[in-house]
Amino acid sequence: AQSVAQPEDQVNVAEGNPLTVKCTYSVSGNPYLFWYVQYPNRGLQFLLKYITGDNLVKGSYGFEAEFNKSQTSFHLKKPSALVSDSALYFCAVRDEGDSNYQLIWGAGTKLIIKP
Amino acid sequence: DTAVSQTPKYLVTQMGNDKSIKCEQNLGHDTMYWYKQDSKKFLKIMFSYNNKELIINETVPNRFSPKSPDKAHLNLHINSLELGDSAVYFCASSQEPLGLAGNNEQFFGPGTRLTVL
Repeated sequence: AQSVAQPEDQVNVAEGNPLTVKCTYSVSGNPYLFWYVQYPNRGLQFLLKYITGDNLVKGSYGFEAEFNKSQTSFHLKKPSALVSDSALYFCAVRDEGDSNYQLIWGAGTKLIIKP
Repeated sequence: DTAVSQTPKYLVTQMGNDKSIKCEQNLGHDTMYWYKQDSKKFLKIMFSYNNKELIINETVPNRFSPKSPDKAHLNLHINSLELGDSAVYFCASSQEPLGLAGNNEQFFGPGTRLTVL
């Protein structure tokens, strides 16, 4: 069965420091992986995705994520955090071979950037 | 211009009532979705339509009925509202179903906060 885990409910980082939001997944085939961000009282916004190719994917707002097949991970990173990065982050996965037309979503990680 | 819009933004109603939430997208996408986000922020897909045809129908009570009059609109009607229906409901759209292109990102509306008293 497909699944995705975000092991941290909350991540606290000081402004200017690097940040990492963790995501691990489980699929039987090749994964399609996504990160979305949700700002307070807003809908989710797409950040980046991994489909194939380079393991390091760059996305919006200076975020990047690294696909690691052996560790089945797709951690979200940013070299220098901003207070405005504070939000709820969702990882999602889909199995390339799955005929269901849906993503499997993680439970979300609240990122708090302190000035 | 709002890509995916929902109305109303807030909906407060009594148990047992029937209510509808409307969603419209102006992106020219073929696929639309309804999600429910509970108080713990857990996101769960409810329905997906592609070109007005239902393609995902997760296990939700049959009190929830989606209707897609055209591919730019996907409305959600809820009968006999219950306390547990209180949540934020998000509409989303993508260019194609994930099963076809496999990698299309979804665009989300701002959400409708439903409170059942």
